[in-house]
Amino acid sequence: QVQLVQSGAEVKKPGASVKISCKGSGYTFTKYTIHWVRQAPGQGLEWMGSINSSGGPIVYAERFQGRVTMTRDASTSTVYMTVSSLRSEDTAMYFCARDQDDWNRETGVLDYWGQGTLVIVSA
Amino acid sequence: EVVLTQSPATLSLSPGESATLSCRASEDIRRFLAWYQQKPGQAPRLLIYDTSNRAPGIPARFSGSGSGTDFTLTIDSPEPEDFAVYYCQQRNNWPRTFGPGTRLDIK
Repeated sequence: QVQLVQSGAEVKKPGASVKISCKGSGYTFTKYTIHWVRQAPGQGLEWMGSINSSGGPIVYAERFQGRVTMTRDASTSTVYMTVSSLRSEDTAMYFCARDQDDWNRETGVLDYWGQGTLVIVSA
Repeated sequence: EVVLTQSPATLSLSPGESATLSCRASEDIRRFLAWYQQKPGQAPRLLIYDTSNRAPGIPARFSGSGSGTDFTLTIDSPEPEDFAVYYCQQRNNWPRTFGPGTRLDIK
């Protein structure tokens, strides 16, 4: 069965960086794009960007451009997202989610989600 | 960016009542709208994509309609497990955007 398993919770100080991982299994990793979505406590969902798992396009939401980096390691079926220059407003649950399309196109339909990684930014 | 507005913010239903949730886009998004369900402490779950296509395994009591700027998610006689928060999301433009959510409560 398709699974996306994310790394564990992190506590970081303002100004630091955090790197979150998302490991896919149960499907051919390189055939699907992975999205990242975050959710601040008690708030709604915010799309951060997407990464083509076979080394193709990476798209960032403009508001995260320059502060977020998405990478992938096909050998371990894992994608990573690094958020730098953390501030308190970045405290959130971060989800990875698979795009529905199996031709590795970014269609924006998110069919399977990871369990989430809680990132707390606090001095 | 496309702004999605959902109404109502909270919908309280008695058992057996059908639910009608609305999502309005700030510009024409054709039919490129999806709906997700989220329960407390869980990741969102895809219900409907491209306005009216149910995702695999989603019961037929969930249906979607609309086009352009106005969309609806209908839940016929919600089951106890359907009481959750529902988000709409558009994929017509970048960045992909979500609505603020509608909470479906038991009255």
